[in-house]
Amino acid sequence: QSVLTQPPSVSGAPGQRVTISCTGSSSNIGAGYDVQWYQQLAGTAPKLLIYGNTNRPSGVPDRFSGSKSGTSASLAITGLQAEDEADYYCQSYDSSLSGSVFGGGTTLTVL
Amino acid sequence: EVQLVQSGAEVKKPGESLKISCKGSGYRFTNYWIGWVRQMPGKGLERMGIIYPADSDTKYSPSFQGQVTISADKSINTAYLQWSSLKASDTAMYYCARHSSGDDPFDYWGQGTLVTVSS
Repeated sequence: QSVLTQPPSVSGAPGQRVTISCTGSSSNIGAGYDVQWYQQLAGTAPKLLIYGNTNRPSGVPDRFSGSKSGTSASLAITGLQAEDEADYYCQSYDSSLSGSVFGGGTTLTVL
Repeated sequence: EVQLVQSGAEVKKPGESLKISCKGSGYRFTNYWIGWVRQMPGKGLERMGIIYPADSDTKYSPSFQGQVTISADKSINTAYLQWSSLKASDTAMYYCARHSSGDDPFDYWGQGTLVTVSS
């Protein structure tokens, strides 16, 4: 059972918009700690996609965006492409565990 | 260019010991934490612990405390993850990643080391 809760799977057709939620609690996201998002393509290491809730590292397309409100965060992907098919993980800091925690991951399928 | 290069895949028997490595380059190794992350087959990411190579300050996640040892040799820009007695349940991919502190991101990742424990 992950401290941060994500839906196991989402799907969308090419060109559509999808969102992935990440629900935490008052000891992590709700405490004001930043949320990060990672993309893991099949057979590869995770890659930082969004940091500090809303920021994109250099090279990440602006089709990817992050938001945060209260005890939850979301990753939105617009103009869905086949290459976006991957697992996505949220991550934040948890004060009760005194360390970073990951969500359980969400598998995105592009139909 | 920041790079974290991990040691190669390992196949071990239950009860054996193992030490895998993660070598950093392209940045000041002692200015950042290195984290270790486990990914069991078909499962998600789990933070195992982090180490600050400058002084070897180490923090373990509760589930991994006492199960593994994280260390670093700042003279060769390398962090390590080791087991004294492997179990079949240690079979997983292990990643190292660079981390600033607190709620900062893991911004660069190693390629992963696959550890297979089987009799």
